[in-house]
Amino acid sequence: EAQVTQNPRYLITVTGKKLTVTCSQNMNHEYMSWYRQDPGLGLRQIYYSMNVEVTDKGDVPEGYKVSRKEKRNFPLILESPSPNQTSLYFCASREGGTQYFGPGTRLLVL
Amino acid sequence: AQSVSQHNHHVILSEAASLELGCNYSYGGTVNLFWYVQYPGQHLQLLLKYFSGDPLVKGIKGFEAEFIKSKFSFNLRKPSVQWSDTAEYFCAVKSSASKIIFGSGTRLSIRP
Repeated sequence: EAQVTQNPRYLITVTGKKLTVTCSQNMNHEYMSWYRQDPGLGLRQIYYSMNVEVTDKGDVPEGYKVSRKEKRNFPLILESPSPNQTSLYFCASREGGTQYFGPGTRLLVL
Repeated sequence: AQSVSQHNHHVILSEAASLELGCNYSYGGTVNLFWYVQYPGQHLQLLLKYFSGDPLVKGIKGFEAEFIKSKFSFNLRKPSVQWSDTAEYFCAVKSSASKIIFGSGTRLSIRP
């Protein structure tokens, strides 16, 4: 089944404790991206990757890092999480203009 | 800067009522347009998309949208809503190779 998976689905952490949210897709898509969803703000793009080893900043990249060492994986790294990064995070992969979203990761930073 | 506006933040309708959700974008060039739906507790799913051709696009679950280039609009419609349409709806616009910009979303509540 074609899908985008994310782990973990739920995470509670404390300020400053590094964390990684994994994202994997099995559709051989070149383009992948990360979004955060906050009430009243819709989805905002954090980072995107057009192919292996090619990443670029989206609209809200501060406080995040990404890597793209393999086509299928696109992890999101929070080196020193802060409470304002409490949000719902979605990974997506894209073919042409159509995006396929993962199930989301709900993050709470205390 | 490119932007997508969804002016209705929360819409409440009774079952069988007709629905129209507004979406306006600001970009003068060629665009691809999308509507996504997010059911409670779930991820975003594509409802319909417009790339080119007939500006009236039909999607899943009886939804349709009309692209009006002169008005920079891509409104979502459904003639008769059901309780199961309760969800949040997002309009999105792609205007370059890398950027898809989402609106802030419209929450739709259907009274049974």
